[in-house]
Amino acid sequence: KNQVEQSPQSLIILEGKNCTLQCNYTVSPFSNLRWYKQDTGRGPVSLTIMTFSENTKSNGRYTATLDADTKQSSLHITASQLSDSASYICVVSRNDYKLSFGAGTTVTVRA
Amino acid sequence: NAGVTQTPKFRVLKTGQSMTLLCAQDMNHEYMYWYRQDPGMGLRLIHYSVGEGTTAKGEVPDGYNVSRLKKQNFLLGLESAAPSQTSVYFCASSYGLAARSYEQYFGPGTRLTVT
Repeated sequence: KNQVEQSPQSLIILEGKNCTLQCNYTVSPFSNLRWYKQDTGRGPVSLTIMTFSENTKSNGRYTATLDADTKQSSLHITASQLSDSASYICVVSRNDYKLSFGAGTTVTVRA
Repeated sequence: NAGVTQTPKFRVLKTGQSMTLLCAQDMNHEYMYWYRQDPGMGLRLIHYSVGEGTTAKGEVPDGYNVSRLKKQNFLLGLESAAPSQTSVYFCASSYGLAARSYEQYFGPGTRLTVT
């Protein structure tokens, strides 16, 4: 069973609108949580990394939140652009080498 | 500074054939990783290396072998390809452990089809 669950599986939004992606995890022990953006046909690129002591982190129009007590994270995209069309992957790190990857949320931004 | 590069980008193999995927990084990173990505699933770790001359098994190592003879290169081998190994393979590297919040940098991927 995947220890990192993302929702929704996919979503379509209009250009300029906001959206929020969810990530729930059961990975333990917890070290940090990352959000990656993966464009079609490319490798994932890091957006944010948060440790258990951080509850929000921004990277431009991307804002990630973390609630380590409830083991939930969200990624908020503000004023979406066509270039935001991609898969967004939530990744949780334990206190060793291992990263647990979610299956991703596919975001499609339409003009 | 090319980052992480992978060769080849695409490959079609017949069942039973062998091949080697090459990963190279120019960031002087100690840690290197091979993942596979399948539809509807998260990336899964095949093998990894914590430094030149070292390798270790990840979550799904069966059917694969790796070597890290030079710090900048990490090779993934398939000795006898099977249709279940049809996937997109990603190489990644990092300066330090993921648990210490070091960034992992990914290559562009290799799309492998085994018929």
